[in-house]
Amino acid sequence: KQEVTQIPAALSVPEGENLVLNCSFTDSAIYNLQWFRQDPGKGLTSLLLIQSSQREQTSGRLNASLDKSSGRSTLYIAASQPGDSATYLCAVRLSGNTGKLIFGQGTTLQVKP
Amino acid sequence: GAVVSQHPSWVICKSGTSVKIECRSLDFQATTMFWYRQFPKQSLMLMATSNEGSKATYEQGVEKDKFLINHASLTLSTLTVTSAHPEDSSFYICSADNRLGQGALNTIYFGEGSWLTVV
Repeated sequence: KQEVTQIPAALSVPEGENLVLNCSFTDSAIYNLQWFRQDPGKGLTSLLLIQSSQREQTSGRLNASLDKSSGRSTLYIAASQPGDSATYLCAVRLSGNTGKLIFGQGTTLQVKP
Repeated sequence: GAVVSQHPSWVICKSGTSVKIECRSLDFQATTMFWYRQFPKQSLMLMATSNEGSKATYEQGVEKDKFLINHASLTLSTLTVTSAHPEDSSFYICSADNRLGQGALNTIYFGEGSWLTVV
């Protein structure tokens, strides 16, 4: 059974710091991995999607990497801003292209001005 | 691009009543949709897979008689919470698998989510 774990559960940093969020999964047979952002009381915003054959994806100040063999992904946020404060969720799409996503517990980030 | 619309965004219902949440795929057909539930300060948990024209597949521990799922068309799935109790209060969100239509194929699109409060 696929399990997704995110570390740390919460993180508080001063504005301007670069930071790394970690995601690990137990079964390397995945279709892809996706990072989402969720603001309090809101739905999901997709940030980055990495296909199983890819190693990383970048969008602006965000960079996500994927090491399928070790079951790990990281989300790197450069030059953090208070507006980055949110919960970040990592989700693995199961192999076989079933469309099911298994989510981690999330990392709640607070960026202090 | 592909959009998934979920309605209502917020709903309050009395204990013992039923409430229906709709999930619609706009601009694309979705033979498969998924329903997730998120309790406060917890992550999203898959409840069931909604299959167009057939019965839904429920995850272990999810009561199929309590959470009725109907996927009568290629663009609409509904989740009905029957005989709701306060412990059913949660954030419910659907997703749809874009196999044909606008937007990126083989991409999962999420609805905006629905907040259910049972009083």
